[in-house]
Amino acid sequence: DIQMTQSPSSLSASVGDRVTITCRASQGIRNDLGWYQQKPGKAPKRLIYAASSLQSGVPSRFSGSGSGTEFTLTISSLQPEDFATYYCLQHYSYPYTFGQGTKLEIK
Amino acid sequence: EVQLVESGGGLGKPGGSLRLSCAASGFTFSSYSMNWVRQAPGKGLEWVSSISSSSSYIYYADSVKGRFTISRDNPKNSLYLQMNSLRAEDTAVYYCARDSWLDSWGQGTLVTVSS
Repeated sequence: DIQMTQSPSSLSASVGDRVTITCRASQGIRNDLGWYQQKPGKAPKRLIYAASSLQSGVPSRFSGSGSGTEFTLTISSLQPEDFATYYCLQHYSYPYTFGQGTKLEIK
Repeated sequence: EVQLVESGGGLGKPGGSLRLSCAASGFTFSSYSMNWVRQAPGKGLEWVSSISSSSSYIYYADSVKGRFTISRDNPKNSLYLQMNSLRAEDTAVYYCARDSWLDSWGQGTLVTVSS
């Protein structure tokens, strides 16, 4: 099974900050990775697909990069609505695996 | 607009059964693979099972293999998850999600396993 190691597990930041979340895969997954945002009591929402493609309707302050085993999600200037939990997902091979999640909190 | 609506959650007893459904609309259901993903209370996301568009390929997480069965009815635009031999650790919100890329998700249905 492919393990996805996501870091950090939590992060405190202020509105306007730039933040980066990382996911490392235990083996190469090409660019078969997505990033999801989840707010309390809500379903996850996809932000990024194919590691670096922005989902339609998602603000351009979100960006993704990486290929192979190392991936990053960057939020260029945090907005109040961005405080949530973020997950990466590899869909390169079964069983699909998620990162452990990063809870982004207001400082 | 893609819509996925889960139903069938509720209280199940250890060793018992529940059947979840996911009603799809707004896209050609028969052209997409589908998935179930769950989230235990206060925990992260866990992929459960996937089924290809024609049901030819089916995959399960080890944690549910032999107990859960995924299926679909393309003419009815519906996805199912038959959950047998329920355990306390199956307690979670269950989401259905579209495509191998998991691009769209339903709102989830809560399954609680308790005596």
